[in-house]
Amino acid sequence: GAVVSQHPSWVICKSGTSVKIECRSLDFQATTMFWYRQFPKQSLMLMATSNEGSKATYEQGVEKDKFLINHASLTLSTLTVTSAHPEDSSFYICSAREMDSGAAEAFFGQGTRLTVV
Amino acid sequence: GQNIDQPTEMTATEGAIVQINCTYQTSGFNGLFWYQQHAGEAPTFLSYNVLDGLEEKGRFSSFLSRSKGYSYLLLKELQMKDSASYLCAVMDSNYQLIWGAGTKLIIKP
Repeated sequence: GAVVSQHPSWVICKSGTSVKIECRSLDFQATTMFWYRQFPKQSLMLMATSNEGSKATYEQGVEKDKFLINHASLTLSTLTVTSAHPEDSSFYICSAREMDSGAAEAFFGQGTRLTVV
Repeated sequence: GQNIDQPTEMTATEGAIVQINCTYQTSGFNGLFWYQQHAGEAPTFLSYNVLDGLEEKGRFSSFLSRSKGYSYLLLKELQMKDSASYLCAVMDSNYQLIWGAGTKLIIKP
């Protein structure tokens, strides 16, 4: 199956700093990537849909100025958590679909566990 | 509104069979997915159903009834490594995935 690589796997940062998370589709072109966050024992919550070459579409309640998403190429999308606070500590996961193949399966990155201290 | 319902937790015995149900109400339907998620890891794809009926893949099978808004994931010959959360997700008319809260499956020896 297609591979989505997410980096870093985990990160600890100080409150007030910014953290960038990368999501790469290694062997296919992903015109659309999705960013989720997941709190312990809860389901995935879609934060935003990232389209290559255009502005991301954010879900209601997600601050676009805090969670900056850039989708500069067909294989790379980044999520930057700006001025992070302890309440931003969570598991962030990206996924991508191989839109042109006709397949509907979404492939997930490994996830990034962010801890803000 | 859009809604996906699945049991919060289930317990089964190693070697047995377990069925995890999922009911949904969504704006349109473009397929239903089952994912497995071990604690602290990202979900991994198990199955995709878009037509009514049963899809079998090894020890795992998935069933869909669109008229009833219902699916189940059937796991046979349970192994300890099957202990995980199982997420049901429906792709709506906008091709967005609507996620259930997940079913935590506990396997006992």
